[in-house]
Amino acid sequence: SQKIEQNSEALNIQEGKTATLTCNYTNYSPAYLQWYRQDPGRGPVFLLLIRENEKEKRKERLKVTFDTTLKQSLFHITASQPADSATYLCALDGGSYIPTFGRGTSLIVHP
Amino acid sequence: DAGVIQSPRHEVTEMGQEVTLRCKPISGHNSLFWYRQTMMRGLELLIYFNNNVPIDDSGMPEDRFSAKMPNASFSTLKIQPSEPRDSAVYFCASSFDVYEQYFGPGTRLTVT
Repeated sequence: SQKIEQNSEALNIQEGKTATLTCNYTNYSPAYLQWYRQDPGRGPVFLLLIRENEKEKRKERLKVTFDTTLKQSLFHITASQPADSATYLCALDGGSYIPTFGRGTSLIVHP
Repeated sequence: DAGVIQSPRHEVTEMGQEVTLRCKPISGHNSLFWYRQTMMRGLELLIYFNNNVPIDDSGMPEDRFSAKMPNASFSTLKIQPSEPRDSAVYFCASSFDVYEQYFGPGTRLTVT
């Protein structure tokens, strides 16, 4: 069955460092992959989308890579700040506009 | 734009009662999604509407759950009768023929 894996353990890093979050998937051929941010008590907020034929995408301090051979996406936040602390969800879609979400990884940036 | 609006924000009800959750999508969006989020199962898609028509309801848990979208600006998710295991945060999201979805603030449902 299709499976999306994100690290369930929180990632703790120091302010100013680069945070790297991982999204692995199996039994899936996504046309694209998205990353969302979710703060406590709020709905997810869209951050970035990367298509299967794109290797990398950037937006300000954010960078996403997509390796369809490894079946993995990496999400990087450079020069991290305490305000970046949140849960980050990856979502995969085969092209039907119906994404499947991972469980998310909590990021904690310490000042 | 006010974004996706959901009501109520919190709902506490007793087992066996009917619960109705409401959603107003972003004006102009033609797709609407209902999700349920729990610690155990994460974010699960319940039902997806496109142009007010249900396209995929395979995530609806059982007959106790029903959803309607009578027009482009309103949708409801109804649970009858409610059970304690229905306790979760229910999100509504909308989009316009693009992949990114805009989520509402959610309704936290507690069934005692």
